[in-house]
Parts: sequence; structure tokens; C-alpha cells
Amino acid sequence: KAGVTQTPRYLIKTRGQQVTLSCSPISGHRSVSWYQQTPGQGLQFLFEYFSETQRNKGNFPGRFSGRQFSNSRSEMNVSTLELGDSALYLCASSLGGGVGELFFGEGSRLTVL
Amino acid sequence: GENVEQHPSTLSVQEGDSAVIKCTYSDSASNYFPWYKQELGKRPQLIIDIRSNVGEKKDQRIAVTLNKTAKHFSLHITETQPEDSAVYFCAAKEGSQGNLIFGKGTKLSVKP
Repeated sequence: KAGVTQTPRYLIKTRGQQVTLSCSPISGHRSVSWYQQTPGQGLQFLFEYFSETQRNKGNFPGRFSGRQFSNSRSEMNVSTLELGDSALYLCASSLGGGVGELFFGEGSRLTVL
Repeated sequence: GENVEQHPSTLSVQEGDSAVIKCTYSDSASNYFPWYKQELGKRPQLIIDIRSNVGEKKDQRIAVTLNKTAKHFSLHITETQPEDSAVYFCAAKEGSQGNLIFGKGTKLSVKP
């Protein structure tokens, strides 16, 4: 079974630009969660999608948005990039029916100059 | 919302010693507490989890204990080995559809 796939793996943007990151979950997984990882801050929850609906949202500004498609693939978008948005963005999938293991992708490392 | 505090932020032990990482959570409705291990440059992976109806769970050299009254849970690693060196994250989840909220991580270094 293929794991969680994130693209692109690395990207460099400048302040003010916008970026879209993609996540393909494990086949059969209906829940996709996004996390921002920065040194010292750990894994901060962005949002979770389940069956194309945002089920939960973390404490991030409205510049951060996401969506999920009917095949469970998910995208997240960050508009008007700021230097502080530089981070590793991790996506994780799960069956979504309740408690259970999150399977993480390798992440998309975003650098904002 | 849920808040998870994790201590210590760094931990250095000699090979063969035990390591203990502690976490506290704020939301008494949380009922699922996993631990993830992230090796350098790799993705986080689940190593053990515990549900609120259980006080302790063990898997070979690792164990997790949960005190619901005090709202804290701990990871215990015995007979540490150099390959245990990684960042460990605790997490708590509220209900069946709540968010999984992570602590800030503990960097464990095991010296040979």
C-alpha cells in the first residue's frame, strides 16, 4: 500500500506570494489533517478534512485554507506569504472513523524569503 | 480547546539507562493519547498509544502510563539504545472527531 505522498517536497517563495501544497492520502483513508512544524513549536494543527468537509480548524489566520476532493486528496493554500510561514508542512491521513493512527507524509518544506 | 504541555524539551541519557517524558493535557474530555517518534529528517511515526479507559500499556521496552485525575501521561523507555535517539511527541485527542493536539516535543539523545 502506498504511503502518504506530499508535493512539492521543497519550495522557495517570496513574501506576498501564495503557495499551494498537495497531499495524497493512503488509499481508503478519508481523513486528512495538516500540521505546521517549526523548531521549538512542535506540530501545530492547521485543519482536518473528512469526506470533503472541514471537520476541525486550528488557530491560524484566514490566509491558511484547504480543501479536500472526492478522491480524498487534499490541498492547502497559504496566501500573502510572510517570513514566519517558513516551515515544514506535514499532512497526515487516517481512516477517520474515530481514534486511530495518523500516517504522516514526508512534508513540504516551505522557505519564504 | 485542548492544550498539551510536554517536558523536558531535551533529554540526554547513557545507553542502557531509562528515559521518561511527561505530558499534561487540559481538556478532561480527551480520551486518546498517542506518542509519535520522529527521527532526524524523517516523518513522525506512532510508537504507542493509550485510551482513557486504560491506565498503563506496554510494548517491549516502551510503556505509557495515564493518570486521568491529574490529567497527565508519561512515556517510559527502558534499556535505551542509540537508535532511540529522536524527537518524541505526545498528543491528546478529544472525542472521536476532535483534533489531535501535539506537545512541543522532547529531543532524546542516547549516548553510547
